[in-house]
Amino acid sequence: QSVLTQPPSASGTPGQRVTISCSGSSSNIGSNTVNWYQQLPGSAPKLLIYSNNQRPSGVPDRFSGSKSGTSASLAISGLQSEDEADYYCAAWDDSLNGVVFGGGTKLTVL
Amino acid sequence: EVQLVESGGGLVQPGGSLRLSCAASGFTFSSYWMSWVRQAPGKGLEWVANIKQDGSKKYYVDSVKGRFTISRDNAKNSLYLQMNSLRAEDTAVYYCARDYTAMALFDYWGQGTLVTVSS
Repeated sequence: QSVLTQPPSASGTPGQRVTISCSGSSSNIGSNTVNWYQQLPGSAPKLLIYSNNQRPSGVPDRFSGSKSGTSASLAISGLQSEDEADYYCAAWDDSLNGVVFGGGTKLTVL
Repeated sequence: EVQLVESGGGLVQPGGSLRLSCAASGFTFSSYWMSWVRQAPGKGLEWVANIKQDGSKKYYVDSVKGRFTISRDNAKNSLYLQMNSLRAEDTAVYYCARDYTAMALFDYWGQGTLVTVSS
């Protein structure tokens, strides 16, 4: 059982907008920034969103992040087939003195 | 170009030991925190440990405390993970990652090395 809670799956059709939620607590998301990772099949994870809502260079602006209280969300607009991947949220946990990940959300593009 | 290349994975018996290495290049290694993150087959990501730039601070996930030791050699641009008393549940791909802020911000990842603990 992961400290951060994500839905195990999400889906959408090409062009649609999908959101993936990440729920935590006051010791992690509530007091620290959230980062999101994309893991394509057979590949290492890649940083997708950092500091709640910032995109690294090269990440399309179709990807956006937000945070409110002890929850965060990743939104993908204009869904494309190449977005089919696993998505993970992560944050530092002040109580555990370590990094906690969400269990991951498998995104399927129908 | 930032590169992280892990090595040292393999098959080991329960109770055995293994030392993973990560060779870093393309950035000033001594200026960054570094982390190990693992992924069991078909499972999600799990952070294992991180280490401060000068090695003075180290943090571990509870499940590996007392068994794993993270270390680094800034002169060799290398990160290490000494794994002792290995268990079947330690079976995973182990990734080396640059830990940009020591706050779960892993901006570069290696390709991973597979550790299999089995008799």
